[in-house]
Amino acid sequence: EVQLVESGGGLVQPGGSLRLSCAASGFTFSYSWMTWVRQAPGKGPEWVANIKQDGSEKYYVDSVKGRFTISRDNAKNSLYLQMNSLRAEDTAVYYCARDFYRDLDYWGQGTLVTVSS
Amino acid sequence: DIVMTQTPLSLPVTLGQPASISCRSSQSLVHSDGNTYLSWLQQRPGQPPRLLIHKISNRFSGVPDRFSGSGAGTDFTLKISRVEAEDVGVYYCTQATQSRTFGQGTKVEIE
Repeated sequence: EVQLVESGGGLVQPGGSLRLSCAASGFTFSYSWMTWVRQAPGKGPEWVANIKQDGSEKYYVDSVKGRFTISRDNAKNSLYLQMNSLRAEDTAVYYCARDFYRDLDYWGQGTLVTVSS
Repeated sequence: DIVMTQTPLSLPVTLGQPASISCRSSQSLVHSDGNTYLSWLQQRPGQPPRLLIHKISNRFSGVPDRFSGSGAGTDFTLKISRVEAEDVGVYYCTQATQSRTFGQGTKVEIE
């Protein structure tokens, strides 16, 4: 059974940093593109970033470029999102998802990030 | 960016009756590799999104056959042949032909 479990969310002040993690199991992690998607309260999903199987390609939505970094550790079956210079508009539930030939076929339960003073 | 526009935004339905959601993209979703990367997601209250349909019309594993997808180019439709209580939630179309964007969502509720 495919499982994706996010962690690392919480309350952070504007300008602060957080590192999200996503632990994957039930599939060959190193064979899969992976994606972070966020969903602000009461809003639709927004793609944030994705990363190729070996980490050699990474893509970001414009609003997080230069502030967020996606990475992975295939030995640990884990995906990460380092978020710096956080803003109020980054407040959202952050989901990791498997990106299977451009289909987000499995999603985690999400972790809530709240940016507020 | 490709803009995805869904209609309606709210869809009251009667149990056992059909329902239909439309999704229009601001440009063609046909990729240079010949595929059309248009998917439909379901988000039940308090749950993460779940893949229902991929590449226009392919039901994902475990999705009931009352769900079907159709369309081409810039116009796509999700149909539920007979709505059940568990179908309540918000439905999103999403494209991955050029980066990835989502529609605003259509809230399906039982009337």
